[in-house]
Amino acid sequence: EDQVTQSPEALRLQEGESSSLNCSYTVSGLRGLFWYRQDPGKGPEFLFTLYSAGEEKEKERLKATLTKKESFLHITAPKPEDSATYLCAVQDAAGRRALTFGSGTRLQVQP
Amino acid sequence: GAGVSQSPRYKVAKRGQDVALRCDPISGHVSLFWYQQALGQGPEFLTYFQNEAQLDKSGLPSDRFFAERPEGSVSTLKIQRTQQEDSAVYLCASGDGGGNQPQHFGDGTRLSIL
Repeated sequence: EDQVTQSPEALRLQEGESSSLNCSYTVSGLRGLFWYRQDPGKGPEFLFTLYSAGEEKEKERLKATLTKKESFLHITAPKPEDSATYLCAVQDAAGRRALTFGSGTRLQVQP
Repeated sequence: GAGVSQSPRYKVAKRGQDVALRCDPISGHVSLFWYQQALGQGPEFLTYFQNEAQLDKSGLPSDRFFAERPEGSVSTLKIQRTQQEDSAVYLCASGDGGGNQPQHFGDGTRLSIL
């Protein structure tokens, strides 16, 4: 059974204070690892897909990296508008299209 | 519209009533997914359609839950004889059919069972 664990559960940063969110996963074979951002009352918004260990992707202040056991979402010099819940999900290579999500990291960036 | 549209945004029902939740996927997307999200948790998979075919319904929690997509576009999730534990946000997502392509989510329907 696929499992995804995200840490920390909550993170409070000052504006400009860089940090990283962790996503540890267990899957029989990884088809893809997905990062989403979710604002209160909204659906998850797609950020990145990573397919293989060593891959990195960047978008503005966010950079996602992938190893065989975990993924990190690095946030560089965050701004208050980066405050949201960040969700990690995996899709296994067994043919199922379903995503298995972690519980998310609630990020608050204070001005 | 450009994104996934869900209606209603909020639904309140009494225990025992039947409810129907609608999803309009992104135009041209062949894959459609339903997820259930409890407060403070990540979404949990319910069911998956490829066009009109329901290929995976392994996440449906009971036979009270039923989903359909008769013409391969709009989908409806129906919950019969609702119970309090059905209270959650129900999210719909669509994708362009590629095996590992991202799923794009709507803003969900918040269902409250009294």
